[in-house]
Amino acid sequence: QSALTQPASVSGSPGQSITISCTGTSSDVGGYNYVSWYQQHPGKAPKLMIYDVSNRPSGVSNRFSGSKSGNTASLTISGLQAEDEADYSCCSYAGTNTWWMFGGGTKLTVL
Amino acid sequence: QVQLVQSGSELKKPGASVKVSCKASGYTFTSYAMNWVRQAPGQGLEWMGWINTNTGNPTYAQGFTGRFVFSLDTSVSTAYLQISSLKAEDTAVYYCARDSGGPTFDYWGQGTLVTVSS
Repeated sequence: QSALTQPASVSGSPGQSITISCTGTSSDVGGYNYVSWYQQHPGKAPKLMIYDVSNRPSGVSNRFSGSKSGNTASLTISGLQAEDEADYSCCSYAGTNTWWMFGGGTKLTVL
Repeated sequence: QVQLVQSGSELKKPGASVKVSCKASGYTFTSYAMNWVRQAPGQGLEWMGWINTNTGNPTYAQGFTGRFVFSLDTSVSTAYLQISSLKAEDTAVYYCARDSGGPTFDYWGQGTLVTVSS
């Protein structure tokens, strides 16, 4: 089964907002409210930013928000800051045969 | 505080085996499933599977059956990933990640780089 589809790269200026999409199918993203998002800086382990589509773990800035419409989940980062520059990956539940599936990742550049 | 500490980098020859460890601390090990995630150089994250830390029952993702084995030693709160018959394409960073439900990988190990080269 193919990975979830994310744009390879997005960019924005400090203070702006950006949205990263994660497109799947009705068998994964569209079928369950189990989408999470991870931030990964170069050479570091991923960090959980959003879980269950739109929930933020304790300690994650409220500038990060998640949503879902149909088969596409989205991560929005508002008030972009230099430290937000990183790779972002989505992950979705895909049923008891496939379980979890990651997106290909999106590189965010803060201009 | 919750920590997952993985074993160090490995350099192996094709055909050899490797065993990566992931030692958990700061929580009850058997209360959370443990997942394994692969990241090949310059590539995205790839979910390999998970192991039920209560029963020891592993579940492998497609593409990770046969040469990949998940195991546990609950007496030392440690999960293991063993890869046999290593190939060059197994070169990657391997992460363990605690699963708090759904996919919610809330804590990650620091990663273990496995390099397969002759």
